[in-house]
Amino acid sequence: GNSVTQMEGPVTLSEEAFLTINCTYTATGYPSLFWYVQYPGEGLQLLLKATKADDKGSNKGFEATYRKETTSFHLEKGSVQVSDSAVYFCALSGQGAQKLVFGQGTRLTINP
Amino acid sequence: EAGVTQFPSHSVIEKGQTVTLRCDPISGHDNLYWYRRVMGKEIKFLLHFVKESKQDESGMPNNRFLAERTGGTYSTLKVQPAELEDSGVYFCASSLNTNTEAFFGQGTRLTVV
Repeated sequence: GNSVTQMEGPVTLSEEAFLTINCTYTATGYPSLFWYVQYPGEGLQLLLKATKADDKGSNKGFEATYRKETTSFHLEKGSVQVSDSAVYFCALSGQGAQKLVFGQGTRLTINP
Repeated sequence: EAGVTQFPSHSVIEKGQTVTLRCDPISGHDNLYWYRRVMGKEIKFLLHFVKESKQDESGMPNNRFLAERTGGTYSTLKVQPAELEDSGVYFCASSLNTNTEAFFGQGTRLTVV
């Protein structure tokens, strides 16, 4: 079945550091890929998505590229801020299916 | 416009008791989903409603869980009787249709003691 594996946390960085959170997936066909973020005390929010190979999703300075050859969708940001502290979830939805399959989440803490 | 709203935000109950979680989707969203995250692990799909009908309930763990969506508006998820392993965060999401973004609520943190 479909599955998502993401980098285990927690991850702690200093402000303005470069961020990478790794995400790989297993799926049949051509899934859509997502990154969700949960800020403290809030619900899950869609951060970015990509629906086909080589697409790049981007939002709020974050980027992720759908790499079919490596079945990956790594999240990157060039310069993180304290306000980026949150839990990040990689997810996929299989072809023709709306339900999401999530990774285990990565807690990110940015220190000033 | 209000987002997806879940009640209560926290619930602590004893093993063997019954708990009912409620989700109010965004108005007009026919699709409603329940997910849960147990013990800091991955968020897992429970079920999917289209209006009042259960489209997919493949993720429901066992028959102690009952989800309803009478009238195709809000939904309830009842756990009866609750067990310790049911502790976790229960998320609800809604979407306009099956190929549009799903919006999530803040979740209900359930603790069974």
